[in-house]
Amino acid sequence: KAGVTQTPRYLIKTRGQQVTLSCSPISGHRSVSWYQQTPGQGLQFLFEYFSETQRNKGNFPGRFSGRQFSNSRSEMNVSTLELGDSALYLCASSSFEDEQFFGPGTRLTVL
Amino acid sequence: AQSVSQHNHHVILSEAASLELGCNYSYGGTVNLFWYVQYPGQHLQLLLKYFSGDPLVKGIKGFEAEFIKSKFSFNLRKPSVQWSDTAEYFCAVNAMDSNYQLIWGAGTKLIIKP
Repeated sequence: KAGVTQTPRYLIKTRGQQVTLSCSPISGHRSVSWYQQTPGQGLQFLFEYFSETQRNKGNFPGRFSGRQFSNSRSEMNVSTLELGDSALYLCASSSFEDEQFFGPGTRLTVL
Repeated sequence: AQSVSQHNHHVILSEAASLELGCNYSYGGTVNLFWYVQYPGQHLQLLLKYFSGDPLVKGIKGFEAEFIKSKFSFNLRKPSVQWSDTAEYFCAVNAMDSNYQLIWGAGTKLIIKP
């Protein structure tokens, strides 16, 4: 079974721009979660989608949004980028309430 | 609000030493418990999990964890660590009553000196 894939792997943007990150879950997994990982803050939960519906949401500003498609693929969008948005963005998929399987992440650098 | 506490942010041990990493959670209902590991430059991966049954669970690479419900704890142990165990370890909890959102601890960076 193929693992969770995330594209792109690396991104460099400037302040004020917007960015869209993509995640393809493991086949058959209907839940996709997004996290922001930084050295200072650890792993911060952004949101979780299940069957195209946002089921859970973390404490991030409205500039962070996401969606899930009928094939369970998910995208997250960050608008009006700030320097502090530089981080590794991780996607994880799971089947029902079992363990999450993580992708390699997208490294976003905001200049 | 639910929270997960990992008591040690950094741990340094010598090879062959015994390891115990603490994890406590605040939720009183039925929970599922996980330990994940992130080796340098690699994906986060599951080390072990507890859903029900025997409170002592065994995971990969010789790790085990014990669920003590009365103490709201799920500590990770390994009798003899190796240099290759150098990694960051995360405890995570989800609960049926919170829509199964996974709550994460801050992580413990473990360094094993050869």
